[in-house]
Amino acid sequence: AQSVAQPEDQVNVAEGNPLTVKCTYSVSGNPYLFWYVQYPNRGLQFLLKYITGDNLVKGSYGFEAEFNKSQTSFHLKKPSALVSDSALYFCAVRPQRPNQAGTALIFGKGTTLSVSS
Amino acid sequence: SAVISQKPSRDICQRGTSLTIQCQVDSQVTMMFWYRQQPGQSLTLIATANQGSEATYESGFVIDKFPISRPNLTFSTLTVSNMSPEDSSIYLCSVGTAGGKTDTQYFGPGTRLTVL
Repeated sequence: AQSVAQPEDQVNVAEGNPLTVKCTYSVSGNPYLFWYVQYPNRGLQFLLKYITGDNLVKGSYGFEAEFNKSQTSFHLKKPSALVSDSALYFCAVRPQRPNQAGTALIFGKGTTLSVSS
Repeated sequence: SAVISQKPSRDICQRGTSLTIQCQVDSQVTMMFWYRQQPGQSLTLIATANQGSEATYESGFVIDKFPISRPNLTFSTLTVSNMSPEDSSIYLCSVGTAGGKTDTQYFGPGTRLTVL
C-alpha cells in the first residue's frame, strides 16, 4: 500500500534556528511528493512539490525540501524559523494508479510546528 | 493557482438533518475532490467529483450519505446527509488544474461542521 508517514506529532524550534519536519514515504514507482501548511481556522496552502529533477526543491515562504530516494524521505526544511511559521504541516503523496491521471493525494497525519520567540 | 471559495464557512446542525456545502472555483478545472478532516486528524479523501457523471467514492464513503454534484467545470456540492455527531469535521474542496499526475492540488478554506 502506498503511504506517507510523519513520525513527529510536534516540533519545537526557537526563532532564528533551522527547522526540519520529517516525512517518509512508501510508493511503487516514481514518487510525487507534496508539502502543505495549515494555519489555524484556514484551509491548506501549497508549499512545494517534488516531481523529478533536483533533489532539493524550493518553495514558498523560504521553505525547501530534500528528496532522498535511498532513505525514502522528503523532509521539509527552513534555515531560519519565524514565529509566524507556527502551523500544522502535512506531507502528501500522489499514488500511482495505472491509467488514471490526476488522482487525489494521500496525506500524512500532520506535524505541528511551534516556533518560540 | 486557482481561487476556491466554500459556503458555508461553518455551521452548527442538529442530528438527523442534512447540510449542502458549495465549492466554487474562479476558473475551469479538470479535477475536483472532497476531503474530510476530523478533529485533530489528517485529511481523508471522500470522493472525486466528476463532471457530467457520478462521483467516485473512496472506501468507507457512500453516495447515500455523501451525495455529490458537479454540474460544470467550476462548481461542485457535497451534501452530508442524516448527520450524526461523528460527522463533525472540516470538509475541504480541492481542485487540480491540469489533471496530470504532476498536478498540484489547491484547497478551499474549508467548511467547519459541528453536529449536535
